[in-house]
Amino acid sequence: AQKITQTQPGMFVQEKEAVTLDCTYDTSDPSYGLFWYKQPSSGEMIFLIYQGSYDQQNATEGRYSLNFQKARKSANLVISASQLGDSAMYFCAMRDLNTGFQKLVFGTGTRLLVSP
Amino acid sequence: DAGVIQSPRHEVTEMGQEVTLRCKPISGHDYLFWYRQTMMRGLELLIYFNNNVPIDDSGMPEDRFSAKMPNASFSTLKIQPSEPRDSAVYFCASSLRGDRTGELFFGEGSRLTVL
Repeated sequence: AQKITQTQPGMFVQEKEAVTLDCTYDTSDPSYGLFWYKQPSSGEMIFLIYQGSYDQQNATEGRYSLNFQKARKSANLVISASQLGDSAMYFCAMRDLNTGFQKLVFGTGTRLLVSP
Repeated sequence: DAGVIQSPRHEVTEMGQEVTLRCKPISGHDYLFWYRQTMMRGLELLIYFNNNVPIDDSGMPEDRFSAKMPNASFSTLKIQPSEPRDSAVYFCASSLRGDRTGELFFGEGSRLTVL
């Protein structure tokens, strides 16, 4: 069963606008962690933001915020004030007890293109 | 601090040849992961180690693939014999248990092309 679902293969946004990248997850564990990684064209995987299932507040890291809706099992990434350098693949990932709590299961990714 | 170091960055080989990919995790990290990325299958976990011991190798495609971690600072992923369908980017990552997020720190990847 697919544990992480990213339904948007590609997204377009204009520079300086905000964009939301969708991610839904599936787990029966009460304890889990959700991650977003960025993969630019150069290929490296860059950690962006983390949300724990017990965290009371939505995670924020600079221009990145995570819209965590536990009941809906969604963990959307919001990028505010998009920059040209934000053009990249973005992966949502999860760890939980069922998957072995240390390893991450990744979604298929969303390609974001930021235009001038 | 140095990040996860992988070598080679690029490897082009012919079908049937042995391929060895190498990884040096971040010092002090106790988990090491090998992932493979392809267009068709995305990012898939092949195997991971805890304190040099393999914990889960259920993602290893077949017997042609093997991975070792002889010590805390070195791991190898070997493919013998290689096939064209093994062409992919292979990532090594490490993490530290007890770290609040448990984020994985990735190397830059080894791009393998099997002709």
